This record gives sequence, C-alpha cells and structure tokens, in this order.
Amino acid sequence: DGGITQSPKYLFRKEGQNVTLSCEQNLNHDAMYWYRQDPGQGLRLIYYSQIVNDFQKGDIAEGYSVSREKKESFPLTVTSAQKNPTAFYLCASSAREIGTGELFFGEGSRLTVL
Amino acid sequence: AQSVTQLDSQVPVFEEAPVELRCNYSSSVSVYLFWYVQYPNQGLQLLLKYLSGSTLVESINGFEAEFNKSQTSFHLRKPSVHISDTAEYFCAVSVAPGGAQKLVFGQGTRLTINP
Repeated sequence: DGGITQSPKYLFRKEGQNVTLSCEQNLNHDAMYWYRQDPGQGLRLIYYSQIVNDFQKGDIAEGYSVSREKKESFPLTVTSAQKNPTAFYLCASSAREIGTGELFFGEGSRLTVL
Repeated sequence: AQSVTQLDSQVPVFEEAPVELRCNYSSSVSVYLFWYVQYPNQGLQLLLKYLSGSTLVESINGFEAEFNKSQTSFHLRKPSVHISDTAEYFCAVSVAPGGAQKLVFGQGTRLTINP
C-alpha cells in the first residue's frame, strides 16, 4: 500500500538533545512537508521541499533543520535551539499536478521533552 | 497572506442531530478551500475540497460544504451525525496552484457526538 511512514510514533528526549524524526513516502510525490500541531493552534508549517536537494523555511523554522537527499525521504531534526519542542509532528506529501490540492499525511510523531 | 478562522473550538452534538462547523477565510486572491479530518492519534485525511465549479461540494460519508465568496466562508455541514464522526476537523486554504501546495490551516474544531 502506498503511503507515508513516520517513525518513531512516540519519542522522549532530555533537554539539550537533538532528535531526528523520520518520514518516508512511496507515493512518488515530489513535494514534502513538516507541520507541528499544538492543541488549539492547528497546524503550523515548519519546512517544505518541492524537489530533491531543495527546501524552504515555513512559518516556524527556528530550531529545526531538514534534508532532502532522496525523493522518498524528508527527515526533520529538532535541535536543542528549539525552545518548546514538545508537540505532535506531522509529515505530509503532495503531487505537483496543478489543482490537486491534496496533502497526504503520516500518522505523526509525538515528541515529549522531559 | 491568507488566514483561516474556525469559529468554534468545540462542538458537542447528539447522535443523529445536524451539525455545522464554521470556517471563514481571508485572502486578497482567489483561493482553494479544504476540510480535513483527524481521528485520535492519527494524521489528517482530506474530507472534501473546493477548487472551482459548483460551490457545493460533498464527501462520500455525507458531509457537505458550500463556498460562499461574498461571505468568505466554507462551512461544513452534515444533516445527521454518527458516533463515528467524532474527530477534529480542520479548514484550510491554498493559493498555490502548481508547485508546493502550501496550505494554511485553521485552529481546528473538535466534534464530539453524544449518544
């Protein structure tokens, strides 16, 4: 089955540690995204990538980094510079066809900073 | 820049009652509009979308939404809800045909169905 796989589903980290969240898709989509979800705030865009080896900052990129070395993979690193990293992180992808407008989401990774 | 406002953070209704989840958007250009649904501890799934054409769009599970350009609204409705409709619903707007589909999401509305 085609889809997006995020891992790990749950992650705990100590303050000052970097962590990397994995996102893999087999939908052959060009574009991939990372969103952060906090209660009552909806989804906020962290980074997105339209093509391999290229990515752009979203609305809340500070304290995060990404890479796009392969079409299928778009890992997100939450660095120690992120002031409030506890959140639910969602990865998504989309095709480039004009007007499709549909994002396909993974099941999310819940990060808790102890 | 676009913005989306969902007017209710929580909506409790009884099973088989009608429901309306309200969404208003702000944009200086033409928009595409979407409703996504999120079941507990899962990612989001597309429920329905308006790109062009008929202003009334429907989903396969009985939800419908109407694009109202003059009121800049895209409210979601269902005439009779079921327990399985319990979820969080997100309205979203995009003005990016082609290229990356950058969606701006509302804050979400938690729909709770009581028996």
